Amino acid sequence: KAGVTQTPRYLIKTRGQQVTLSCSPISGHRSVSWYQQTPGQGLQFLFEYFSETQRNKGNFPGRFSGRQFSNSRSEMNVSTLELGDSALYLCASSTGSGAFFGQGTRLTVV
Amino acid sequence: SQQGEEDPQALSIQEGENATMNCSYKTSINNLQWYRQNSGRGLVHLILIRSNEREKHSGRLRVTLDTSKKSSSLLITASRAADTASYFCATDSSNTGKLIFGQGTTLQVKP
Repeated sequence: KAGVTQTPRYLIKTRGQQVTLSCSPISGHRSVSWYQQTPGQGLQFLFEYFSETQRNKGNFPGRFSGRQFSNSRSEMNVSTLELGDSALYLCASSTGSGAFFGQGTRLTVV
Repeated sequence: SQQGEEDPQALSIQEGENATMNCSYKTSINNLQWYRQNSGRGLVHLILIRSNEREKHSGRLRVTLDTSKKSSSLLITASRAADTASYFCATDSSNTGKLIFGQGTTLQVKP
């Protein structure tokens, strides 16, 4: 089985722009979660989707949004980028036995 | 934040020694999971222990869970240089894919 695939791997954006990140979960996994990792705040939960519905949301501003498609692939969007949004964004697909993470998208906002 | 705490923050040992990392959390949980991360890459799932379990083994890994103390430990026996990484505990309180991570322990295993 292929693992969780995140694209792109690296991204450089300018303040004020918006960005869309993509995540393809492991085949058959219907739950997809997103996390932000920064040196200062560590790993923080953004949101989780299951069968195209957002089931859980973390404490992030409305600039962070996501969606899930019928094939379970997910995207997250960040609008009006700020320097503080620079981070490693990780996607995970899960079953009841644990979460499987992609390699992440390294976003740098300049 | 419900984020747990891990200690030590950093651990340096010689190859062949055992490494123990501890994790404490704040709320009731359904399960607790341990992950490894190499150099800012993706996280690798190591082991999951459910709230009704007290100990679990997987290869050189041993995890314990004490729900009365809201704490868990990860023991890596006979460590190898390849075990050098950051280790995170994560709690699942809702069975909905939402994990709350600790700050992590950075382990360095010297050859």
